[in-house]
Amino acid sequence: NAGVTQTPKFRILKIGQSMTLQCTQDMNHNYMYWYRQDPGMGLKLIYYSVGAGITDKGEVPNGYNVSRSTTEDFPLRLELAAPSQTSVYFCASSRPGQGPEAFFGQGTRLTVV
Amino acid sequence: GDSVTQMEGPVTLSEEAFLTINCTYTATGYPSLFWYVQYPGEGLQLLLKATKADDKGSNKGFEATYRKETTSFHLEKGSVQVSDSAVYFCVCDKLIFGTGTRLQVFP
Repeated sequence: NAGVTQTPKFRILKIGQSMTLQCTQDMNHNYMYWYRQDPGMGLKLIYYSVGAGITDKGEVPNGYNVSRSTTEDFPLRLELAAPSQTSVYFCASSRPGQGPEAFFGQGTRLTVV
Repeated sequence: GDSVTQMEGPVTLSEEAFLTINCTYTATGYPSLFWYVQYPGEGLQLLLKATKADDKGSNKGFEATYRKETTSFHLEKGSVQVSDSAVYFCVCDKLIFGTGTRLQVFP
């Protein structure tokens, strides 16, 4: 039972570099989410998707982009990394028709230097 | 908009002490409510949930009752263990998160 899988687990970027955080789920969930968690803080929603081809902004979308070409995958793109994007990123998925709870990946710890 | 407010931490307890972490919500209608737990270095796991008023969610000795009249969903445990040390998040529908409460249990 893979659930929600995020890669990589850790990454260090230089200012101005770009990267894609990968997220895939094998539970046929239609809803997927990206959150960031800053030290000592709660989770803030970056982007979410209610199905393939549909994405929408969350609370803190600036500096990020997403796409949802398949039900399984929901990558998060950072185009020009900034130190303010140093954080732990969590991907989650849910299927409201099967139950309201969400399932989370293990997180990606990103440091921008 | 919808929001969740939970007590600030850290909460520091000795083993076998009683735990309460307060959580109140603001939402239209009657949202489902959840407690998630994040153990050190790990992702978030669902601890318990309640989907309607007066429901009681329970798991691993933790309990929380959905109180419509006080819009609350307080987390309780009668006797905490060192292994319960973690960050606890109160969450409502649409995955609106509280800020998290760090629990530290000492032997």
